[in-house]
This record gives sequence, structure tokens and C-alpha cells, in this order.
Amino acid sequence: RKEVEQDPGPFNVPEGATVAFNCTYSNSASQSFFWYRQDCRKEPKLLMSVYSSGNEDGRFTAQLNRASQYISLLIRDSKLSDSATYLCVVTWNYGQNFVFGPGTRLSVLP
Amino acid sequence: NAGVTQTPKFRVLKTGQSMTLLCAQDMNHEYMYWYRQDPGMGLRLIHYSVGEGTTAKGEVPDGYNVSRLKKQNFLLGLESAAPSQTSVYFCASRWTPRDRANTGELFFGEGSRLTVL
Repeated sequence: RKEVEQDPGPFNVPEGATVAFNCTYSNSASQSFFWYRQDCRKEPKLLMSVYSSGNEDGRFTAQLNRASQYISLLIRDSKLSDSATYLCVVTWNYGQNFVFGPGTRLSVLP
Repeated sequence: NAGVTQTPKFRVLKTGQSMTLLCAQDMNHEYMYWYRQDPGMGLRLIHYSVGEGTTAKGEVPDGYNVSRLKKQNFLLGLESAAPSQTSVYFCASRWTPRDRANTGELFFGEGSRLTVL
């Protein structure tokens, strides 16, 4: 089993739609969780951290369920500029292990 | 601010040739990482370093060597390139906060696209 798994995608949604991505991880000792965004042929960039209590940044909401070892990202009111690949990241061993999921590609259509 | 700089950005090699990818960061970060990214596989960790003079193996270290002689530089070497090493290579660095449980953000270089024929 892969250490971090994500919805395979791609997701094709119209502008204004709400879309949710799921991620599961296998290491129960995982310490920190993040969502990164990667545009085509570019480097990944941090989108947001994921906290146990859940957190929101504008149109983006991240949730963590440690018991189920599950992370989610919700994007509301999708914009064309949200089109990208979204990478789930899990860390343990105080950040010596930064493990990326395979990514879920999102295309927001006009 | 330069951030994380990778050189070269593109390279074509023949099987059996050697080369070195250079990663330089100007943020005084302790941790540095080398990843490779292949379609459908996501980013996979090759080697990493938690400080000057230290390196460790990641998920896919075979066929690669690294060195961290200076804090700001992390070199990735291919001694005898193989077609399976055709990939996009990303270097990243990270600030290590005093609270080590908060692992901070990874800063990536723009990537180095390597083709081995």
C-alpha cells in the first residue's frame, strides 16, 4: 500500500462549482499535513497546512481526521485559476520524511 | 531573493554518462531534499540532508549520490545514467522551527528536466 493515496482524478468542473479532494495516509505516526498546489510544468507550492481542528483560507477548507487517517480539501466557487494538480503531503520524524501523494488534477472549465 | 536555484534546468544524456545537478539556497535552511517526479507517481524522495555534512537515503536512492559540503548547496550525482532516470528533478529546502513538531514549508526550485537516451 502506498504511504499517501489520493483521488485519481482528473476532476473537470464548471466555474463556480464546489469540489472536494480526498487523501489517505498509512503511517499512524504522521505529524503534519499539508496541501500543495502544482501548476503544469512548475514546482509545487504550499497551498495550506491542515490542522486537527480544520482550517479555512478564503474559498479553501482543509480537514484532518487522525482516527481515519484521512485528509480533505474543499474548494468552493471554483475559478479558472484553480486549475492545477493538488498534492497531499504527510510528514513524520520531525519533517525528515516529507511524503507526497500522487496528486489530483483539477480542471475548472468556463 | 533567489530562494532555491537548480542548475542545469535541462539536460540530455546518453546512457552511461555521468552528471551532477546543483541545488543552491540562500535562505540559510538546514534541511534540503532531492525529489524526482514522474507521471502518475508523484514526487518521490531520492536523498535528503538535515545539515551540512550529513545526508540520508530517501525512498528511491539507487543510482544516485549526494553531497552537502556547504550548507547552502546540495548536489545530486548520477554516476552512470540510465533511461529509467529520465525524469524531472526537484530540489527543496526547509526552515527548521524551534518547535520541531511544526515542520514548516518546503521551498522548491524550478526543476531540472533530465532525459537519458
